[in-house]
Amino acid sequence: KQEVTQIPAALSVPEGENLVLNCSFTDSAIYNLQWFRQDPGKGLTSLLLIQSSQREQTSGRLNASLDKSSGRSTLYIAASQPGDSATYLCAVGTDKLIFGTGTRLQVFP
Amino acid sequence: GAVVSQHPSWVICKSGTSVKIECRSLDFQATTMFWYRQFPKQSLMLMATSNEGSKATYEQGVEKDKFLINHASLTLSTLTVTSAHPEDSSFYICSAGRLAGVPDTQYFGPGTRLTVL
Repeated sequence: KQEVTQIPAALSVPEGENLVLNCSFTDSAIYNLQWFRQDPGKGLTSLLLIQSSQREQTSGRLNASLDKSSGRSTLYIAASQPGDSATYLCAVGTDKLIFGTGTRLQVFP
Repeated sequence: GAVVSQHPSWVICKSGTSVKIECRSLDFQATTMFWYRQFPKQSLMLMATSNEGSKATYEQGVEKDKFLINHASLTLSTLTVTSAHPEDSSFYICSAGRLAGVPDTQYFGPGTRLTVL
């Protein structure tokens, strides 16, 4: 059974810091991996999608890497801003999406 | 493009009543729709997968007689919580994909907050 874990569960940093959020999964037989952002009481915003054949994807200040063989993905946020405060979810794609436990990020001025 | 809406965005009901939540794909045909449930400070848990015109496939532990899913058209799926109880209070999120049976990008709705008194 696929299990997806995210570390840390919560993170509070001053703005300007570079951040690394971690996601690990137990079964490497995945088609893709996605990172989402969720604001309190809201739905999901897709940030990055990495296909299983890819190693990384970049969008603006965000960079996500994927190491399928070791069952790991990282989301790198450069020069964090208060507007980045949210919960970040990773999800592995097989025939369905299996979500991780989430990292609650707070960036303070 | 690829916008998914949900209605209502929030609902409060009395214990024992039934509540219907709609999920619509506004600008594409959704062959597959997914329903998720999210309890406070927890992650999303898949409840069921529905393909247009077919019966939904429920995840282990989800009562199919309690959570009725209908996907009668390529743009609309509904989730009915029957005889709702306070423990059903949760955030329900749907997503839609263009393809069936293969991994595909899912587009998520904004969610529906259900509170059962």
